Amino acid sequence: DSGVTQTPKHLITATGQRVTLRCSPRSGDLSVYWYQQSLDQGLQFLIQYYNGEERAKGNILERFSAQQFPDLHSELNLSSLELGDSALYFCASSPGLVSYEQYFGPGTRLTVT
Amino acid sequence: AQRVTQPEKLLSVFKGAPVELKCNYSYSGSPELFWYVQYSRQRLQLLLRHISRESIKGFTADLNKGETSFHLKKPFAQEEDSAMYYCALSGSGNTGKLIFGQGTTLQVKP
Repeated sequence: DSGVTQTPKHLITATGQRVTLRCSPRSGDLSVYWYQQSLDQGLQFLIQYYNGEERAKGNILERFSAQQFPDLHSELNLSSLELGDSALYFCASSPGLVSYEQYFGPGTRLTVT
Repeated sequence: AQRVTQPEKLLSVFKGAPVELKCNYSYSGSPELFWYVQYSRQRLQLLLRHISRESIKGFTADLNKGETSFHLKKPFAQEEDSAMYYCALSGSGNTGKLIFGQGTTLQVKP
């Protein structure tokens, strides 16, 4: 599959814990975006990385952090988890810094109990 | 503030009927507007963007800056159009971040 991949598909963890979500962009894409989809907030932009550098930040909590590695894969770290962090987390990628089409991954469903 | 509003959570129509999915935006500059679609058990994907002024799968959308709207239209709905539709905005600046609306589920009944 040459599309965006995300692991794991599902994650169940307890409050207070820390998890790492992983994303591999499409081959050749330099930008990676993270979005959170929850029932009450809809699909919200969290953060964008371009070629290893942070380029834009949305309403990302301080408990959340991300990075993009030299091989261009990205990880989203969520710590001190709360019940309200339960959501679907999507990763998307695009070729350039400002690209009109983003390619989405299947998402990681996080459940915090 | 940048905001995208899709007033309808659910739109249900019969096959062959016209469809209009509403989208309004709030943005002080010149935005780029998009419609993304998510079919059942598939990934979110781009349907169309206003700058290309194209028709995809019979859908069109016109950017109305006066009314700050970008409604998605199709004259004759098909059952395979049933999906979740998201309107999105990309603002100026050196980022590709998208601001999404809440989404509208389109249900096309036979």
